[in-house]
Amino acid sequence: DAGVIQSPRHEVTEMGQEVTLRCKPISGHDYLFWYRQTMMRGLELLIYFNNNVPIDDSGMPEDRFSAKMPNASFSTLKIQPSEPRDSAVYFCASSPVVTGGGYGYTFGSGTRLTVV
Amino acid sequence: GQNIDQPTEMTATEGAIVQINCTYQTSGFNGLFWYQQHAGEAPTFLSYNVLDGLEEKGRFSSFLSRSKGYSYLLLKELQMKDSASYLCVVNSGGYQKVTFGIGTKLQVIP
Repeated sequence: DAGVIQSPRHEVTEMGQEVTLRCKPISGHDYLFWYRQTMMRGLELLIYFNNNVPIDDSGMPEDRFSAKMPNASFSTLKIQPSEPRDSAVYFCASSPVVTGGGYGYTFGSGTRLTVV
Repeated sequence: GQNIDQPTEMTATEGAIVQINCTYQTSGFNGLFWYQQHAGEAPTFLSYNVLDGLEEKGRFSSFLSRSKGYSYLLLKELQMKDSASYLCVVNSGGYQKVTFGIGTKLQVIP
């Protein structure tokens, strides 16, 4: 398996622009997670899906953020409009178990977003 | 809510043993994980403890004491490639997600 695949690896955009991050989870993993990582706050859960259905989006900072999972092999995280404080590394992760259990989460390589 | 404490940075010598401690306060408990994250890369799963005691996996071992809210990750025969951040992660009971600590940045020196 190719693992969790994210694109793009790097994104630089101007404030106010729309940003779309993409993720392909591991086939057969029922859970997909979007995390954001900053130096100050570490890894923060934004939202997670179970069988393509959003279960908990309480970590989504505000209405500018939205996430979708139209099918089992694809998810997007969108920021519109983007702001400089959104600059961070965004990770997608998948797992067969909601907490990872004995398998843990498998993370993608991340998207480093810079909003100028 | 949850609170996870671990040292920010540690330095150890190649070939030595290092212990990274983690204390946590949580309203419930369903398991504790350790992840490794090299600079600029994604976190990777190392270990999972749900019962008290020591879990050994090669050069890495993880210990848990639920009554003390305490865990440690033990790295033996340190190698330069072990230089990374180590994240303590707690799953609280009745709450279907996990919380990542800020992590301990370990530097292995020759």
